[in-house]
Amino acid sequence: GAGVSQTPSNKVTEKGKYVELRCDPISGHTALYWYRQSLGQGPEFLIYFQGTGAADDSGLPNDRFFAVRPEGSVSTLKIQRTERGDSAVYLCASSPSAGGIDTQYFGPGTRLTVL
Amino acid sequence: KNQVEQSPQSLIILEGKNCTLQCNYTVSPFSNLRWYKQDTGRGPVSLTIMTFSENTKSNGRYTATLDADTKQSSLHITASQLSDSASYICVVTLVGATNKLIFGTGTLLAVQP
Repeated sequence: GAGVSQTPSNKVTEKGKYVELRCDPISGHTALYWYRQSLGQGPEFLIYFQGTGAADDSGLPNDRFFAVRPEGSVSTLKIQRTERGDSAVYLCASSPSAGGIDTQYFGPGTRLTVL
Repeated sequence: KNQVEQSPQSLIILEGKNCTLQCNYTVSPFSNLRWYKQDTGRGPVSLTIMTFSENTKSNGRYTATLDADTKQSSLHITASQLSDSASYICVVTLVGATNKLIFGTGTLLAVQP
């Protein structure tokens, strides 16, 4: 497919567990973004990658959250010791490059539910 | 604090009618403003993008306006269709290389037959 894909589409886990959320950006897009969207709210920025490096991780709420993009393509958002407050839709977006006016193309999101 | 506020929170209109959604922002320094459409259970899709020097931008039945002096934007939808039912989110970009987006909370639009 030509769009951004995310897996799984839904994830239910228990409090305290570890989860990984995957994002496959559009081929050739160098910039990748993770956002978190709570019910009834707009997405909130978490972290941005330019290539393999995290250029801005100022949105990560605490050290339980970590993201990687080892080969500059697929990215994984990792959440340790999940808490009920982590329940949200996690959105990934990619764009051809960072800065400027490039459109960010969003995936469908992963709905995370922490019981 | 960088904020993006939208009104109304929700809106119900009849099919075929026009409507206008509002966005006020305090984001500074400001790079560009975007309107996204988000269907339930889907990721946001870009409708329009305007730089601070642009006053209006159209995309089919969608027309966005921007007043950078008053820091206000509007999205006008003409001849609404049932498929326009969605959340419409105003998004402002901070100046800088990260292209960080500041999202509003959205206006939930319901178009009824």
